[in-house]
Order: sequence, then C-alpha cells, then structure tokens
Amino acid sequence: RKEVEQDPGPFNVPEGATVAFNCTYSNSASQSFFWYRQDCRKEPKLLMSVYSSGNEDGRFTAQLNRASQYISLLIRDSKLSDSATYLCVVRDTGNQFYFGTGTSLTVIP
Amino acid sequence: DGGITQSPKYLFRKEGQNVTLSCEQNLNHDAMYWYRQDPGQGLRLIYYSQIVNDFQKGDIAEGYSVSREKKESFPLTVTSAQKNPTAFYLCASRRLWPDGETQYFGPGTRLLVL
Repeated sequence: RKEVEQDPGPFNVPEGATVAFNCTYSNSASQSFFWYRQDCRKEPKLLMSVYSSGNEDGRFTAQLNRASQYISLLIRDSKLSDSATYLCVVRDTGNQFYFGTGTSLTVIP
Repeated sequence: DGGITQSPKYLFRKEGQNVTLSCEQNLNHDAMYWYRQDPGQGLRLIYYSQIVNDFQKGDIAEGYSVSREKKESFPLTVTSAQKNPTAFYLCASRRLWPDGETQYFGPGTRLLVL
C-alpha cells in the first residue's frame, strides 16, 4: 500500500472555477502535512503547510482530517497560472517525507 | 542569494560509467535529501542525511552512493550498478528545528543514458 495516494486527474477546469483535490495517507502517526506545486520539468515548490484546524492562503484552502487520514486542497477562482501538478506530502515521525504521485490541473481560458 | 543549487542541469552517462551529481545549499540547513522522479511517479527517496558524516538509505538506495563531508554539500554518485538511471534527480534540504519545517528543493538534474 502506498504511503500517500492522490487522484492523478487530470482535472481540466475553466477559469474562475473552484476545484478540490484529495489525498489520503496510510501512517496514522504522520506528523506534518504539505501541498507542493510542481510545474512541468521544474522542481516542486511549497504551496502551503496543512494544519489540523485548516488554513487558508488567499484563494487556497487546505484541510486535514486526522481521524480519516485525509488531506484536501481547495482552489477558488482558478487562474490560468494555477495550471500545474499538485503534490500531497506527508512527513513521518522521523525525518522522511512521502510524496503522492500528484494531481494534474489545467485551467482553460 | 540563499538557496539550493544543483549541477549540472543535464548529465549524460555512458554504459558502465559512474557520474556524480552536485548539491550545495547555503541556507544552513541540517538535513539534506536526494530523490528520484520518473514520469508519472511520485518522488522516491534515495538517501538522506541529518548531520555531517552520517546518512541513511532511502527506499531505492541500490546503485547509488553519497557523502556528507560538509554541512552545505551532499553529492550523489550514480554508479554503474544502477541499471536504469535515466530520471530527474532532485536534492532538498530543511532545518530540523523548529520541528515541522518542510523541505526546499534545488532545480534538479536530468540524467540521460547514452
């Protein structure tokens, strides 16, 4: 069983749409949670950390449900520049990070 | 500018050849990591190091070797024992304290086998 699982998509949405990505993780003792963004042929870049109480950064909202071992990312008012692959990342009790395979988003004009 | 640098951007390897990928950081981060990314797959951990002169194998360490002689440097050698080395190699670093700090990545090296 994979440590982190994501729906690979692709998600093709029009500009201005709201889109949600989901992620599940297998280790209930996982400590930290993140969403990264990866553009084609580039390195992953931190989008936001995910906190138990949920957190928001502009158009982006992240939620964590520890009981269900589930993480989500909501993007409101999608922009063309949001087109990328979104990676769900989980850190275990040590210092290892586990990456989902990513969810591909294309925002269409 | 503070950051993580990787070189070269592209690297070509001949059969039976060892090649070394460079990773340097000036962020004073404690831990450094090497990952491999193949098309359509998530990042897979090759090696990581939390302190100088110490490192641990990740999930796919076979055919790779590393060293950590300086805090800012963590080179990766792809040996001839790695039979399928073509991939995108990413180096990352992070602070260990405060806890919860995430990783930051270098721009990556694409390795191609001739």
